[in-house]
Amino acid sequence: EAQVTQNPRYLITVTGKKLTVTCSQNMNHEYMSWYRQDPGLGLRQIYYSMNVEVTDKGDVPEGYKVSRKEKRNFPLILESPSPNQTSLYFCASRAGTSGGNTDTQYFGPGTRLTVL
Amino acid sequence: EDQVTQSPEALRLQEGESSSLNCSYTVSGLRGLFWYRQDPGKGPEFLFTLYSAGEEKEKERLKATLTKKESFLHITAPKPEDSATYLCAVQARSSASKIIFGSGTRLSIRP
Repeated sequence: EAQVTQNPRYLITVTGKKLTVTCSQNMNHEYMSWYRQDPGLGLRQIYYSMNVEVTDKGDVPEGYKVSRKEKRNFPLILESPSPNQTSLYFCASRAGTSGGNTDTQYFGPGTRLTVL
Repeated sequence: EDQVTQSPEALRLQEGESSSLNCSYTVSGLRGLFWYRQDPGKGPEFLFTLYSAGEEKEKERLKATLTKKESFLHITAPKPEDSATYLCAVQARSSASKIIFGSGTRLSIRP
C-alpha cells in the first residue's frame, strides 16, 4: 500500500529537549515536505527536499532542521524545542512534475507535538 | 507575494442543500491549484488538481472549477459524510517545491 508514515503520532516534551519526528514514504517519490498546521493559519511549509541531499527552507524554517540521506526518509529535527512549536505536523511526498504538471502530493497522518 | 484566501471559514448546510466554496489566489504564474479534504485528526486527502482557467474536474458530488483569479468547489446534494475541512493550495510556475495553502473551509452537513 502506497503511504507516508510518521512517528511518533503524539509527543509531549519539555522546552529544550531535542527531538526527531521521522517520516518515511514507500512510493519512491523525489519531493518531500514538512508542514505545520495551526488554527486559523492553515498549513505552512517548514522545509522541503527535491531529492537526496537537496533541501531548502519553506516559509517557517526557524527552529527546525531536516536531512535527506535516503530517498524514502525525511526526518524533522527540533534541536531545542520551544512552546511556540506546539503544533500539528505533517510530512508529505510527491513524485515531481510530469510534462510540467505537478504530481499529486500525499500526506502522512500527522504528529501532534506539545512543548511544555 | 503569493497568497491564497478561502471563504467562508465555516459553512453549515442541510443534507441535500447544494453550495460552493471559494478559493481566491494571487500567484505569479500558476503551475497548479489543488483541492484537499481533511478530516479531524487526519492528514489532507487529495481531491483535484487544476492547471488552467476554464478547467473543471468532478468526483462524485464535488466539482472544482478554475478562473484566472479563483477556484470554486461546488458541492451538489451533500451528505453528512461530506462534512470535513476543505483546503485549497497553489503552486507557482517559478517554484519547483513551494506549495501555499489557504486556511480552509470547515463544512458541516446536517442530516
